[in-house]
Amino acid sequence: AQKVTQAQTEISVVEKEDVTLDCVYETRDTTYYLFWYKQPPSGELVFLIRRNSFDEQNEISGRYSWNFQKSTSSFNFTITASQVVDSAVYFCALSGTEPFSGNTGKLIFGQGTTLQVKP
Amino acid sequence: DAGVIQSPRHEVTEMGQEVTLRCKPISGHNSLFWYRQTMMRGLELLIYFNNNVPIDDSGMPEDRFSAKMPNASFSTLKIQPSEPRDSAVYFCASSPLSGGELFFGEGSRLTVL
Repeated sequence: AQKVTQAQTEISVVEKEDVTLDCVYETRDTTYYLFWYKQPPSGELVFLIRRNSFDEQNEISGRYSWNFQKSTSSFNFTITASQVVDSAVYFCALSGTEPFSGNTGKLIFGQGTTLQVKP
Repeated sequence: DAGVIQSPRHEVTEMGQEVTLRCKPISGHNSLFWYRQTMMRGLELLIYFNNNVPIDDSGMPEDRFSAKMPNASFSTLKIQPSEPRDSAVYFCASSPLSGGELFFGEGSRLTVL
């Protein structure tokens, strides 16, 4: 069975601090995909990044960076120099592919980490 | 381009009433997902379709819930009869390809009194 664990329920930091959101996953699939989504107070779900299981390169996008380590089944997300606008709930998610058809498998979300950035 | 469109955005109904939530996926996307979000249970996958065919409905809470996708551009999630514990935000999402990102609608907030 697939499972995503975000152990940090809530994190509070002061603006300009760096913060890392942890994500640990479980899957038996050899091909799978990992995602991060952001849900600001307005409620919509905003896609941040997708990684496939064969690409362990770390990725940086502006103040955001992601560290994917298959050896520890982790896909952590770091925000550098946090800003008040980063305050949101962040979800890590995992999907596989349907066997034989190769179609999209179900996307399973972690419980989310609420990040509060104080001015 | 239009994103995933859900209706209604808000629904308030009384226990026992039938509720129908609607979703129009992004044109060309071949996977469609229904999720429910509550404080207690987080984001739960209810059901998903590939090429209009239901693939996994194991997340549907009980027989009161049903979902259909009669064509590639429309899906419904129906609750009959509704109960207060069904109160939640229901999200529809679509995806263009295997392992691709999901594009979410703005959600339908359901309150059952």
